[in-house]
Amino acid sequence: DTAVSQTPKYLVTQMGNDKSIKCEQNLGHDTMYWYKQDSKKFLKIMFSYNNKELIINETVPNRFSPKSPDKAHLNLHINSLELGDSAVYFCASSPPLAGGFNNEQFFGPGTRLTVL
Amino acid sequence: DQQVKQNSPSLSVQEGRISILNCDYTNSMFDYFLWYKKYPAEGPTFLISISSIKDKNEDGRFTVFLNKSAKHLSLHIVPSQPGDSAVYFCAVTISDSWGKLQFGSGTQVVVTP
Repeated sequence: DTAVSQTPKYLVTQMGNDKSIKCEQNLGHDTMYWYKQDSKKFLKIMFSYNNKELIINETVPNRFSPKSPDKAHLNLHINSLELGDSAVYFCASSPPLAGGFNNEQFFGPGTRLTVL
Repeated sequence: DQQVKQNSPSLSVQEGRISILNCDYTNSMFDYFLWYKKYPAEGPTFLISISSIKDKNEDGRFTVFLNKSAKHLSLHIVPSQPGDSAVYFCAVTISDSWGKLQFGSGTQVVVTP
């Protein structure tokens, strides 16, 4: 039973293409996140949705557009891919704390994106 | 503007001995601290956390220490086991920041027999 799943696991594409990465969680969590792990291994938050509402939108090029069709899914669409977009992208989810946000996040296995 | 630093990219320790991982942060507003463990080709998994109202939290073989005045936290693993070989990330956050975690760059731990 995969808690947080991502598809595809690997994605190799040409510059200028548009691609999507899908994320699904079966934990019943209300909050979902997208992180990017760059070549220096830093994990940096990109977006967060709570109950399908965007709550965190870091300084990310507007070529990146998250979409949350329901609480269990958060997809990431990337337009006009560039070489610098090559990275590992992680989806995560977290349950709510009463009156606040739980910081203990559950991560998916990652999607390795390579832009040629 | 990296606010979280793990200055040791790697650590090698013998099985049965103690592993000590360190993490420094710059912003005194951070009030919740976490450690994650990551195996290759997998996502990070939550290990242990500590709130700023405490200076120590223990869970089995894992203990996290927080020194707020030094803006420093550490993770102790004792005794170290071969299955502990992984990359360990510290993460920090402010409780009202909608779950926005800031991660260090990780420390690769190798436990040798």
